[in-house]
Amino acid sequence: AQTVTQSQPEMSVQEAETVTLSCTYDTSESDYYLFWYKQPPSRQMILVIRQEAYKQQNATENRFSVNFQKAAKSFSLKISDSQLGDAAMYFCAYRDNDMRFGAGTRLTVKP
Amino acid sequence: ETGVTQTPRHLVMGMTNKKSLKCEQHLGHNAMYWYKQSAKKPLELMFVYSLEERVENNSVPSRFSPECPNSSHLFLHLHTLQPEDSALYLCASSQHPSGDRGRNEQFFGPGTRLTVL
Repeated sequence: AQTVTQSQPEMSVQEAETVTLSCTYDTSESDYYLFWYKQPPSRQMILVIRQEAYKQQNATENRFSVNFQKAAKSFSLKISDSQLGDAAMYFCAYRDNDMRFGAGTRLTVKP
Repeated sequence: ETGVTQTPRHLVMGMTNKKSLKCEQHLGHNAMYWYKQSAKKPLELMFVYSLEERVENNSVPSRFSPECPNSSHLFLHLHTLQPEDSALYLCASSQHPSGDRGRNEQFFGPGTRLTVL
């Protein structure tokens, strides 16, 4: 079974600084998708960014970008120019037929 | 808002009660999911419905019973729960992929915070 590991239960970043959240996964598949979801306190989980495994180019969405290392099965999320509204739980997820989530990283943004 | 609603948002029940959680999606999706979210643990996929048929049941105890009457609605019927079932229950929906498996993101509801006394 595919597993997703987020090794950082909690992270903290100063406002306007950059932070990187780590994610590794285990799979024998070559065709799959990876996601980062954000769950703000008491609010709905929303998609931040998506990466197709067959694409070598790293996905980017405004201040959010990923570092996708397929051979290493690594999929980290970089948040640039951190804002107070970025404070949330961040979940890494893997999907081929099934969706698997990591345990999450709680990001705190300090003013 | 993601287009997925859940009611109730909070539920407290005794171990002998019977209650139901409701999920509704307004996105025209044809796949719906129930997840259990416990503190410091990965989201646990409980049930998957695709085209109104249950396609996955991840060894969930029978005290949880899902129902999908149509592609827009999903229920989770609860009876004789245990205190360890206390958690946030999330519903999600997506467009069932045809061919390009896995591509479509899931849209989540706000969850039902369940407390079993």
